[in-house]
Formats: sequence, C-alpha cells, structure tokens
Amino acid sequence: TQLLEQSPQFLSIQEGENLTVYCNSSSVFSSLQWYRQEPGEGPVLLVTVVTGGEVKKLKRLTFQFGDARKDSSLHITAAQPGDTGLYLCAGDYLVAGGTSYGKLTFGQGTILTVHP
Amino acid sequence: KAGVTQTPRYLIKTRGQQVTLSCSPISGHRSVSWYQQTPGQGLQFLFEYFSETQRNKGNFPGRFSGRQFSNSRSEMNVSTLELGDSALYLCASRRRTSGGGSSYNEQFFGPGTRLTVL
Repeated sequence: TQLLEQSPQFLSIQEGENLTVYCNSSSVFSSLQWYRQEPGEGPVLLVTVVTGGEVKKLKRLTFQFGDARKDSSLHITAAQPGDTGLYLCAGDYLVAGGTSYGKLTFGQGTILTVHP
Repeated sequence: KAGVTQTPRYLIKTRGQQVTLSCSPISGHRSVSWYQQTPGQGLQFLFEYFSETQRNKGNFPGRFSGRQFSNSRSEMNVSTLELGDSALYLCASRRRTSGGGSSYNEQFFGPGTRLTVL
C-alpha cells in the first residue's frame, strides 16, 4: 500500500506571509499533481510535476519535485486571503506495467487560512 | 471546452436504499475515475473505467459498483446504503499530456455529488 504523507494538516497565517506544504512518500511517483479545493466543490488542478528536480511556478506558487521523485513541495509567497482553501497533493505511482490505471493516491490535505 | 459534469449535486437517502450517480467526462477523454471524499479518510480511489472496461478498483466493498457507456459517460451505484457512505463522490476524467520531453496523465475533477445517508 502506497502512502502519501502531507504536512502540515492546518496552516493559519496572516496576509503577506510565506508558507510551504510538503508531500512525502517512500515510493516513486511517475508524476505528482497539486490541487486546490474549495468547500463543496471538486479539486482544481494547479500543476503536474513529472521530472526529478523539476521546479514550476504559477504566479506566487512554486512547486518542486524531489530528485528521486518521492517528495514534493508547494511554496506560496506573500499569501493572500484568496489563497485560502484545501491544498491536496496526489501521486500517480510508478507501478509494474507502467500505469496505475487512473488511480491517484492523495495526501490528507492542508487546510490553509489566510487572514487579512 | 466544458468540464466534467456530475449529477445530481446533492442526494439524501436512507439506510438500505441504493443510489446511482452520473458523470460526464470532458469531451474526448475516455478514462473516468471515481473517488470518495470524507473528512476522516480524505480522497480514496473507488475505480477507473476506460472504453467501458473497469481497469482498476480500490479497496471498497462490492456494494460499490460502476459502469461506463460507449460515449464515455459513467455511472456509479451504491447498494444497501450505510451511514458511513455519506461523502462527497468525485468523478475525474483523465487525459494524456506531453510536455518537457515527457508524457503523463492528468485528472480533472467534477464538482462532486454530496450524498447524505440518514
């Protein structure tokens, strides 16, 4: 059973602060996706990282993929109240045969609250 | 391009009943995955369908089943509902993407169906 550990579970910060969310696994990912979810809605895809050591930026959000493709981080610079939400990492694990057939394994999520 | 649609958005059922949820993937996407989201367990994979065939299944009892039609629309069914089946049920359609010298899968989620079992 593959487990994806996401931390921290909760983050409550002031507007303008920086923050980092981490995802770790003992297994190798073929790719890892970050989502943001609002209450009562489905997760919205933010980014997919694929290559070990990869860094992707989406405005104030920076995503990193570990060299061994077992961990990832999301860094938000100068957080704003509009960043409030549930952030989820989801791994598409590397399995024998090459595909996990549509199965993403999710971390438990990070509930981010940014206070004005 | 329209996103993933799910119907109904909300359902209230009682224990012992059965329920059918529907999902229409993004046009052109042939793979559909279903997930259950609860506060305690987070998002858990139920099953995946591609070209009307179930290719992968999560660790859920046989009361949870699904199917996919030739137009890629999918349904999932839960029979003999239990209180613990109360959850947000999410459907995702998948596409193969290429970029940076790699190809990989990306899943796009619908808004979900909120099922409450009383």
